[in-house]
Formats: sequence, structure tokens, C-alpha cells
Amino acid sequence: EDQVTQSPEALRLQEGESSSLNCSYTVSGLRGLFWYRQDPGKGPEFLFTLYSAGEEKEKERLKATLTKKESFLHITAPKPEDSATYLCAVGLLQGAQKLVFGQGTRLTINP
Amino acid sequence: KAGVTQTPRYLIKTRGQQVTLSCSPISGHRSVSWYQQTPGQGLQFLFEYFSETQRNKGNFPGRFSGRQFSNSRSEMNVSTLELGDSALYLCASSSGLAGEGEQYFGPGTRLTVT
Repeated sequence: EDQVTQSPEALRLQEGESSSLNCSYTVSGLRGLFWYRQDPGKGPEFLFTLYSAGEEKEKERLKATLTKKESFLHITAPKPEDSATYLCAVGLLQGAQKLVFGQGTRLTINP
Repeated sequence: KAGVTQTPRYLIKTRGQQVTLSCSPISGHRSVSWYQQTPGQGLQFLFEYFSETQRNKGNFPGRFSGRQFSNSRSEMNVSTLELGDSALYLCASSSGLAGEGEQYFGPGTRLTVT
């Protein structure tokens, strides 16, 4: 069964304290891995797409990396406005359901 | 470029009723996917429409159905509502099929079933 697991479920950091969020996956065939940010009461906002192991993408204080079994979202010197739920999703090559989301990591940055 | 729009934003229905939700994708996008989001289950894929055809379907009962029009606008229908259908329903549009590239989400419709 295709599975996507995110850890930790929740993370509380001080402003400026860097950390990483994890997304591990067990799937029959990976088409791509996607990171989204979701603010309360809003739809997810696209951040990154990664297609192959070793690939990295950066945007402001965020950097996403991909290995054969997991992806990391690194947050460097975060600010309070980075507080949100971060979701990863895996695009599948096979099966009726082409996209599976993890449960998300709720990130809180304290000033 | 205008984003994905969903109507209505909030809805309160009674058990046994049916409901129709609407989604207008980003101009030029041919794929519309629907998701159900609840605190317990997270984001779950309902189905995807591409060029008016259902291309993929998640593990939901037949009470959940949808369609897509020639202008790519999509509707989702839930019949015989149950209390467990209370959720945030999100639609997302993309230029290619779901899972191939990034999707752009609307703000969602908050459905409450009483």
C-alpha cells in the first residue's frame, strides 16, 4: 500500500532556530514529490516539486531535498510568518489514486 | 492570473440532503482534482477530471460524484449526506494530470452536516 508519513506532527521553534521536517514514503512508483504550505482556513499553497533523488530546490528560507525513500524540508533562520502546516504529497506512477498526501507537520515559530 | 475559485465558501446541510459544490480552475488548466480534508484523516483524494473525463478516483463511496464542463469548471455532488461528511472540500487545478506536476488549490468549501 502506498504510504506517506510526515514527522514530527508538530514542531515549535524560536525565531532564528533552524530545523528540518521529514517526509518518508513507501510507494510502488514515484512520479514526483511535492511540498505545500497551508495556513489556517486556506487551501494549500504550492512550494516545491522534486522528481529524482539528489534533487534540491530552494526558496527564501526553505530548501527541499529528496532521497530514494524520503524528503526533507529544511527551514533556515525561520520567522514567525513561516508558521503554518507543511504538507508533502507523492505523485504515483500507478494506481487509481495518483496523489497521496501526508498528514502534515504543524510548524510554529515563536518570536 | 486569477486563482482557483470555489463556491460557496460555507455550507450547512442536514443529514440526508444533497449538496453541490463548484470549482473554477485557473485559466488554461484542464485538470481539476477534488479533496476532502478533515482533522483526523488529513487531505484525501476524491477524484480528478481532465478534459471532461474522470481520470482517477480515490476510495470514497458512490455518494460522491463529480463532473467537468467544457470550460473546465467542475462540480462535485454529495448525495444522502452523513454527519461524517462534514469537512473542508478543496479543489485544485493543474495543467497536467494530478501527480505529474504542481497543483493550485482553491480556498475550499467548509461543509457542516447537522
